[in-house]
Order: sequence, then C-alpha cells, then structure tokens
Amino acid sequence: GQNIDQPTEMTATEGAIVQINCTYQTSGFNGLFWYQQHAGEAPTFLSYNVLDGLEEKGRFSSFLSRSKGYSYLLLKELQMKDSASYLCAVSNTGGFKTIFGAGTRLFVKA
Amino acid sequence: DTAVSQTPKYLVTQMGNDKSIKCEQNLGHDTMYWYKQDSKKFLKIMFSYNNKELIINETVPNRFSPKSPDKAHLNLHINSLELGDSAVYFCASSQDSGAAEQFFGPGTRLTVL
Repeated sequence: GQNIDQPTEMTATEGAIVQINCTYQTSGFNGLFWYQQHAGEAPTFLSYNVLDGLEEKGRFSSFLSRSKGYSYLLLKELQMKDSASYLCAVSNTGGFKTIFGAGTRLFVKA
Repeated sequence: DTAVSQTPKYLVTQMGNDKSIKCEQNLGHDTMYWYKQDSKKFLKIMFSYNNKELIINETVPNRFSPKSPDKAHLNLHINSLELGDSAVYFCASSQDSGAAEQFFGPGTRLTVL
C-alpha cells in the first residue's frame, strides 16, 4: 500500500525552530517533496530530496532517509507568515504520480 | 504573467449538471495534472498527462473526462455532478515527469448543491 504520515497540527513561537516529520511507505520512490500551502491558496514548492541527507535553502531545510522512509522539514527563525499547511509528497517510480500526505497545519504565535 | 491559470475560480451548480474547468500553463512544461482537494485538505492526484497523452488515471469515475488539446492546456469536464464532487480542483504542471517541482494553478472551488 501507499501511505504518508505527518502530524496534523503543530504550534511554534515566532523566532523559534520547528521540525515537521514525515514517514512514508510507497510502492516506488523517485523523490520526496515539501510544499507550503496558505489557507485558500495553491501549494507552492519548498524542497526536493532524492538522495539521503540534508538540503538547505535559506531558512528552510529538508532531510531524507530512504532506508527509514523518513523525512523532515526544518523551519528556522519562524515568522508569522510561516503559518500555513506543509505537505509532504512522494513521487513514485516513473515519476508521473505524486502522493501527498494530509498536511501539517503550523500555527506560529507571537 | 500567470504561470498556471484556471477558470473559473468559483463554480456553484446543481446536482446532475455538467461543467468544465479550464487550465493553461505558459511555462513550456510537458506534464500537466489535475488534483482534487477535499474539505479535509487532502490533495489527491486524479490525472497526469505528458505531451497530451494520458499517463495516470487514478481510478476516477468516468463522469470525469480530461482533455488536452495541446501541451499547454488540460481541461476537465465533469458530467452528472454529485454532492461528493464538491471540492477545490487544482491544475498543475511540471517539466518532464512528476519527479520535478510542480507549479499549481490558483484552484477552482466547486460547490454542488
């Protein structure tokens, strides 16, 4: 079967660091994505990991362990505008099908 | 310059009606998708097209018929609308296969009464 698990909600304080975890079980693997979706808007791309390790992009970093079926998104120096849903997604072998997790709603408080 | 555009943004209709949603991308991408996001915000793939050819049909009812007249357009026609079809429908595109960043349209909020 195919399954992607991530926490439903998280709350963090402005200026802090938050880690959003994602575990996956899929029939094939061709990379893992993180997308950000603000309420009422479209998802926007944050990061892509296909090899094990950490990818850093400004305040956002994403980690992948293929053997463990595990990824996390790390957000540093949180800002109020980071309040959004964060979607973990896996591309299957062949790449034309992307499975999305249900998303983690992050609330950033002052 | 809108990368991926969809029309209409909102669609309210009665059960049993037929409706269409249009999608266009000006990014020169080869692959386009339709996703459905339900009230629980779960984003689910419906169709993938590559160079106008259907690649993925994710067990979507026959009432949903996508059409890709060219690489830049992927339209979605829905027959005999049902209450359960109420959702936000997102069109997206990517260069080559899905193992690439996807660019999403603004979404079409469909409400079936």
